[in-house]
Amino acid sequence: QQQVKQSPQSLIVQKGGISIINCAYENTAFDYFPWYQQFPGKGPALLIAIRPDVSEKKEGRFTISFNKSAKQFSLHIMDSQPGDSATYFCAAAGSFNFGNEKLTFGTGTRLTIIP
Amino acid sequence: EAGVVQSPRYKIIEKKQPVAFWCNPISGHNTLYWYLQNLGQGPELLIRYENEEAVDDSQLPKDRFSAERLKGVDSTLKIQPAELGDSAVYLCASSWGTGGGETQYFGPGTRLLVL
Repeated sequence: QQQVKQSPQSLIVQKGGISIINCAYENTAFDYFPWYQQFPGKGPALLIAIRPDVSEKKEGRFTISFNKSAKQFSLHIMDSQPGDSATYFCAAAGSFNFGNEKLTFGTGTRLTIIP
Repeated sequence: EAGVVQSPRYKIIEKKQPVAFWCNPISGHNTLYWYLQNLGQGPELLIRYENEEAVDDSQLPKDRFSAERLKGVDSTLKIQPAELGDSAVYLCASSWGTGGGETQYFGPGTRLLVL
C-alpha cells in the first residue's frame, strides 16, 4: 500500500514561473515531511523539510505548504530556473513512533524548466 | 567534509552471479541505510543500522540479500545469486541520529545491471 502519493509525474515550467508539486499521505503518525532533490547520476539531497506544527516553511525560492487536516503538503518553487531541472521526491516519516521511523518516499516528479 | 562514499559506481553481472556493494558513511553518523531505487521510483528502504545493529531489515529479501556493518562504520550489501529483477540503483545513506526525523545524506549510488 502506497503511503505517500505524489503528483504530477512530470512537469514542464517556463523559466521564471512557479513549479508546484503535490503530495498526500495516509499515515497520521507521520510528523516529518522532507523534500529531496535528485539530479541524474546523483543520490537524493535534502532540499527542505517541515513538521506539522507550522503550515508553511520558506527557504529562499522553495516553500512547503502543509495542510494537516487534508493530509497534504506541497512544494512551491518560485522563479524557477533551468538549474532546478531535476527529480523531486516528497517523503514522510514518524519521528518517534515505533514502526513509523522509516522514510517513505513518493514516486517522484521530473521537473523540466524551459527557457 | 566528505559525503557518503559508495563503490563501485556501476556494476554489470550475469544472472546467478554474486555481487557486493560497499558504503562508507559520513564520519560520526551512527545510522546507516541501504535503499533500492528502481527506475522512475522513489528509494525504498532495505535495511537500517544503528551502529552495528540491524534495527529494521523487514524489507530485505533475506533469501538472496545480506548486509553487514562491522565496527559500526563501513557497510557491505551482498546479493547472491543476482536475478534480472535486481537491476536497479542501490543507495546508501547515513544520519547522525536514529529518529525518523533525522536528515539522511545519500551517496551517489551503485547502478547494477543484471544480464
